[in-house]
Amino acid sequence: GQSLEQPSEVTAVEGAIVQINCTYQTSGFYGLSWYQQHDGGAPTFLSYNALDGLEETGRFSSFLSRSDSYGYLLLQELQMKDSASYFCACDTGGFKTIFGAGTRLFVKA
Amino acid sequence: EAGVAQSPRYKIIEKRQSVAFWCNPISGHATLYWYQQILGQGPKLLIQFQNNGVVDDSQLPKDRFSAERLKGVDSTLKIQPAKLEDSAVYLCASSLDRTGIIINNEQFFGPGTRLTVL
Repeated sequence: GQSLEQPSEVTAVEGAIVQINCTYQTSGFYGLSWYQQHDGGAPTFLSYNALDGLEETGRFSSFLSRSDSYGYLLLQELQMKDSASYFCACDTGGFKTIFGAGTRLFVKA
Repeated sequence: EAGVAQSPRYKIIEKRQSVAFWCNPISGHATLYWYQQILGQGPKLLIQFQNNGVVDDSQLPKDRFSAERLKGVDSTLKIQPAKLEDSAVYLCASSLDRTGIIINNEQFFGPGTRLTVL
């Protein structure tokens, strides 16, 4: 079957750096996305990696290794407002999107 | 640019009743998705439309769920009859044309409809 694995929870302090890993097993692969979702809110897009390497957008960076079926989201200079759930999502064969179960990030003062 | 619109925002029904959700995607977005998100889990794709054609509905419980996207614009998702396990947030999302080379598959989500089945 198709699946994505990511840690269920991560805790870090304000100002720190945190990395959220995602490994995937899918039938066909086009790209890996990351979304942020605050409690009671809708998912919002953070990044998309179709090719190997690092993509940087402000304090957030995302990495993909297609050969390892692995990616990560890196959050720098953590702020309290970054406390949220983070989902990795794969675009698979047939253009179908599959989401992981999500990683809940707690940022402490 | 207006975002993805959904209604209603909240709905409470009893099991075996019927319910319908409506979604209006961002203008010009060819692809429309319906997701079910149960509390504490990631969104699960129910159905994906490309214009008014179905791309994937493999996880749609077709004995009770149906969806349509007439004229390739707005869409309706229906549940008939509802079960207790259908209690979830139903998210609609849209994106630009998914065919061809995908450089950045950003999906734009609506606020969701929170369904409670009693």
